Amino acid sequence: DIQMTQSPSSLSASVGDSVTITCRASQSISTYLNWYQQKPGKAPQLLMYLTSSLQSWVPSRFSGSGSGTDFTLTISSLQPEDFATYFCQQGYTTPGTFGQGTELEIK
Amino acid sequence: EVHLVESGGGLVQPGESLRLSCAASGFTFSSYWMSWVRQAPGKGLEWVANTKQDGSEKYYMDSVKGRFTISRDNTKNSLSLEMNSLRAEDTGVYYCARDVGPNTLDFWGQGTLVTVSS
Repeated sequence: DIQMTQSPSSLSASVGDSVTITCRASQSISTYLNWYQQKPGKAPQLLMYLTSSLQSWVPSRFSGSGSGTDFTLTISSLQPEDFATYFCQQGYTTPGTFGQGTELEIK
Repeated sequence: EVHLVESGGGLVQPGESLRLSCAASGFTFSSYWMSWVRQAPGKGLEWVANTKQDGSEKYYMDSVKGRFTISRDNTKNSLSLEMNSLRAEDTGVYYCARDVGPNTLDFWGQGTLVTVSS
C-alpha cells in the first residue's frame, strides 16, 4: 500500500495568516491527490481533487500543487471557518490511503 | 441533493458480527462506485472497502479481508457492510461515501458508530 505522510500534524495560526500543509507519498502518485476538510463531529468533505481542482463550494483562497510524491495545500488569508482538520488521500491505487491529518487551530 | 444515511452501528463484543447499511438518494446510485471509510475515535481516516457500480468488483483493506463483505442493492439504492469476527481495533465511526473515481469521495454520510468491547 502507498503510505501518505502529512506535516505538520498540527498547526496554530491566526485569522488572516497564510498556511501550507505538506503531503508526501511513499511512491509516485502522479497528480492523483485529494484533500478533505473535517470539522469536529462532522463527516469529511472533499475540498480538492487531482491535486489542484477545487470543489464548487471551496473559496479561491485554497490552492493545491505538486506531482509525483510531494504535494501542498495552501490556505491564504485564513478565515474562522477554515479552522479544521485536513487530510490528504491518494487516488492512484486501491486502497486509497489517507494521510494522518493536520489539525489547524486558532492561535 | 445527494444524501447518504448510514445505520446499523452499535456496541458488540469481540468476535461478534454487525451489518451496516447506507441508504442513498438524490443521485443515480447504480452509476457510481461506493466506498466505506472508518475513523477510530480521535484518529484519522482509514479506507475500508469499495464496490463497482454493478457489484462485480470489490476491494478491501488488508486487515478486514475475509471478515468484512461489501455489497450493494441497486434496486433499493442501498450499500451494506457485513462485518464478522469483529475486533477492538474495528471500533470507530463508519462512513459510506460516493466515489467519483479514482478513489475520490465527493459525498459522505454522517457516519454510524461501531464499538467493539467486552
